[in-house]
Amino acid sequence: DGGITQSPKYLFRKEGQNVTLSCEQNLNHDAMYWYRQDPGQGLRLIYYSQIVNDFQKGDIAEGYSVSREKKESFPLTVTSAQKNPTAFYLCASSGSGTGVYEQYFGPGTRLTVT
Amino acid sequence: AQSVAQPEDQVNVAEGNPLTVKCTYSVSGNPYLFWYVQYPNRGLQFLLKYITGDNLVKGSYGFEAEFNKSQTSFHLKKPSALVSDSALYFCAVRDIKAAGNKLTFGGGTRVLVKP
Repeated sequence: DGGITQSPKYLFRKEGQNVTLSCEQNLNHDAMYWYRQDPGQGLRLIYYSQIVNDFQKGDIAEGYSVSREKKESFPLTVTSAQKNPTAFYLCASSGSGTGVYEQYFGPGTRLTVT
Repeated sequence: AQSVAQPEDQVNVAEGNPLTVKCTYSVSGNPYLFWYVQYPNRGLQFLLKYITGDNLVKGSYGFEAEFNKSQTSFHLKKPSALVSDSALYFCAVRDIKAAGNKLTFGGGTRVLVKP
């Protein structure tokens, strides 16, 4: 988990509230990613960013938003439009360019919405 | 499109026995393949990757994986399993033709190593 921090570890919210999950990296990576993990479904990509001030939708972007104002930070907002927000959220980062780069993951944030 | 299948939800093995976790993939071009491990309530840790060259890739903690192009497989192996290897294992693929570094993950295989 070294180099990528996610906070908080556990987050509880009421239905209808927006919530922002923090992700910070000190690995000097250009690319950052947000995944959602549900039991038995593996990881699904929500959003990714290959460079500051640019990001793209992943496979399940509806109900989520992101920003990439700084290289080190890639916060994820879970909006009230997300129909089933309770999940384990993982942030990752990697190098970018023509090489083949493994992704490094943070420790995750477990979000519970009731 | 790229996809990954991990056909076994769970693998049980006795400590000291060989461990194999299966993975098959589908890509339109050539694949880059990865294995990750996840311990409870933690992020994923990188184990190894295949880019090109030797079909047998060695990684962290004594794990290795064998790339088989004809069977489109990339099975993870360890000759002698430890109780501490009990965890959730994910295979991931990236199509060489795909832009960026987007990975597609399999659904995961839980490994339980019994003493």
